[in-house]
Amino acid sequence: EAGVAQSPRYKIIEKRQSVAFWCNPISGHATLYWYQQILGQGPKLLIQFQNNGVVDDSQLPKDRFSAERLKGVDSTLKIQPAKLEDSAVYLCASSLRAGQGMLDGYTFGSGTRLTVV
Amino acid sequence: GESVGLHLPTLSVQEGDNSIINCAYSNSASDYFIWYKQESGKGPQFIIDIRSNMDKRQGQRVTVLLNKTVKHLSLQIAATQPGDSAVYFCAENVVGGYQKVTFGTGTKLQVIP
Repeated sequence: EAGVAQSPRYKIIEKRQSVAFWCNPISGHATLYWYQQILGQGPKLLIQFQNNGVVDDSQLPKDRFSAERLKGVDSTLKIQPAKLEDSAVYLCASSLRAGQGMLDGYTFGSGTRLTVV
Repeated sequence: GESVGLHLPTLSVQEGDNSIINCAYSNSASDYFIWYKQESGKGPQFIIDIRSNMDKRQGQRVTVLLNKTVKHLSLQIAATQPGDSAVYFCAENVVGGYQKVTFGTGTKLQVIP
């Protein structure tokens, strides 16, 4: 079974520039998550999709971050404009379904490492 | 690749010894707990989980203990191997309609050959 695919693996941009990350979840996984992992910390949930609808974006800095999951499969996360403190690894995860109380195939991708200079 | 454990607490263990990694959680509403292993340059990988109606669960070389009274979770790794070197995170599933995994502070495990 193919895992969660993310691209690019690395990205370096200057502050105030824009950047986008792409995630392709495991086939058939209805739920998709974007996490931000700052160096030395645990991943922090930014946004959660159930199919193509957002179920939780309470920790997404909506003034600069946006995400979409068109057709309920692939997803993109965008930052515009980027700040120095956005330097982090952006992880995508997917699971079969939500609301079950147990993890259901919850799998992470390898992430995109963003450096803002 | 760059280490994800640069500023994390570190546990150094001799190869072959047992490792114990501890974690405190704060949300008494959480009913499901997970341990993840994260190697440099990779995403977190599921190790073992436990539900709040249990206090112990065993896997292959790993055991998770849950003490709900003091909101404490531990991961025990038997006969630690060099391949166990990584950052370990505990995570909790917050009750409330949809799965949402919240990660705690990680611990970097260094296995000394």
